[in-house]
Amino acid sequence: GQNIDQPTEMTATEGAIVQINCTYQTSGFNGLFWYQQHAGEAPTFLSYNVLDGLEEKGRFSSFLSRSKGYSYLLLKELQMKDSASYLCAVEDSNYQLIWGAGTKLIIKP
Amino acid sequence: NAGVTQTPKFRVLKTGQSMTLLCAQDMNHEYMYWYRQDPGMGLRLIHYSVGEGTTAKGEVPDGYNVSRLKKQNFLLGLESAAPSQTSVYFCASDRGDSGANVLTFGAGSRLTVL
Repeated sequence: GQNIDQPTEMTATEGAIVQINCTYQTSGFNGLFWYQQHAGEAPTFLSYNVLDGLEEKGRFSSFLSRSKGYSYLLLKELQMKDSASYLCAVEDSNYQLIWGAGTKLIIKP
Repeated sequence: NAGVTQTPKFRVLKTGQSMTLLCAQDMNHEYMYWYRQDPGMGLRLIHYSVGEGTTAKGEVPDGYNVSRLKKQNFLLGLESAAPSQTSVYFCASDRGDSGANVLTFGAGSRLTVL
């Protein structure tokens, strides 16, 4: 079966750095997405990786290793507004998105 | 631009009642999707459409029907609601062309079936 694993919840301190991991086992691979979802709101796109390596976008970076079935989202200089759930999703060989259950990130002052 | 608009935002139904969730997008996107989101689970695809007049089943289609008569609208119907259909429903759309297909989501519709 297809599976996306990410931690259920993480806690970090304002101003610090946090890394949210995502491991996947899917039927093929056509890309990996990270979305941010604030409580009670819609998911919004953060990043996309299709090749191995690091993609940097401001305070957020996303890394992919296809051989290990592994990705992480790195958030730097954490702000209170970064408190949200972070969803990892993989596009399989049929171009269908398989979603993880999300990681709830709690930021403490 | 409004992006993706869903109506209604909240609805309470009794078991056996029917209803339709409406989704409209103004981005001229080809592909549209209906997902449900339940606690502790990833988003699950109910039905999707790759263009006007087409629909296809997703991962959890049972108990739902859809229609895409116009490119900008995608309707999700529940013919006989069950408590197991209590969930938050999200509509999403994307361009459907090659490359990274980034989804734009609606604000969600919270449905409770008693």
